[in-house]
Amino acid sequence: EVQLVESGGVVVQPGGSLRLSCAASGFTFDDYTMHWVRQAPGKGLEWVSLISWDGGSTYYADSVKGRFTISRDNSKNSLYLQMNSLRTEDTALYYCAKIETAMAILDAFDIWGQGTMVTVSS
Amino acid sequence: QSVLTQPPSVSGAPGQRVTISCTGSSSNIGAGYDVHWYQQLPGTAPKLLIYGNSNRPSGVPDRFSGSKSGTSASLAITGLQAEDEADYYCQSYDSSLREWVFGGGTKLTVL
Repeated sequence: EVQLVESGGVVVQPGGSLRLSCAASGFTFDDYTMHWVRQAPGKGLEWVSLISWDGGSTYYADSVKGRFTISRDNSKNSLYLQMNSLRTEDTALYYCAKIETAMAILDAFDIWGQGTMVTVSS
Repeated sequence: QSVLTQPPSVSGAPGQRVTISCTGSSSNIGAGYDVHWYQQLPGTAPKLLIYGNSNRPSGVPDRFSGSKSGTSASLAITGLQAEDEADYYCQSYDSSLREWVFGGGTKLTVL
């Protein structure tokens, strides 16, 4: 079964740092581009970041550029999001998502994790 | 303000047909980038509903269909059922922003 499981979400103070993880199983992880998408409480979906299957390309939303870093360890079938200089507006449920087609960039997000909650509050 | 514009809400009675629009611009839908649709049931993660403008993943009922024309796309749901009550999001890529973008979401209420 194809599965994504996020972890690492906690309550953190403004200005703090956090690393989210996403464990992948059931597919050849190093063939697929991965994304992070977030959803603030009661709000819509917001794309955060992308990393290509080989880690060679990364993209970020303007709202997180310079503060967040996406990475992956294909030997561990894991995706990460390092979040620094956190702001109250970063409070959200963070999902990792897989692209539907191997070695593609623009395809749909076909598998989503259940999400991990990040709360930025003093 | 989302780059892709969706109506905040739509509603319909069981058995009826509803459509949800997704309006973009020349840097996203109008530039030829595909539109994908997701369904988010209450308290759950989003689920891929339509990919590549009009294709259904395995297991998605043929009551759901997608189309694209110019700078807009649409999701149609026929034979509305109570279990279709959810939030629906369109998604594409914007070449000006160099970002993957979502619509603001549409809440479907089955009356």
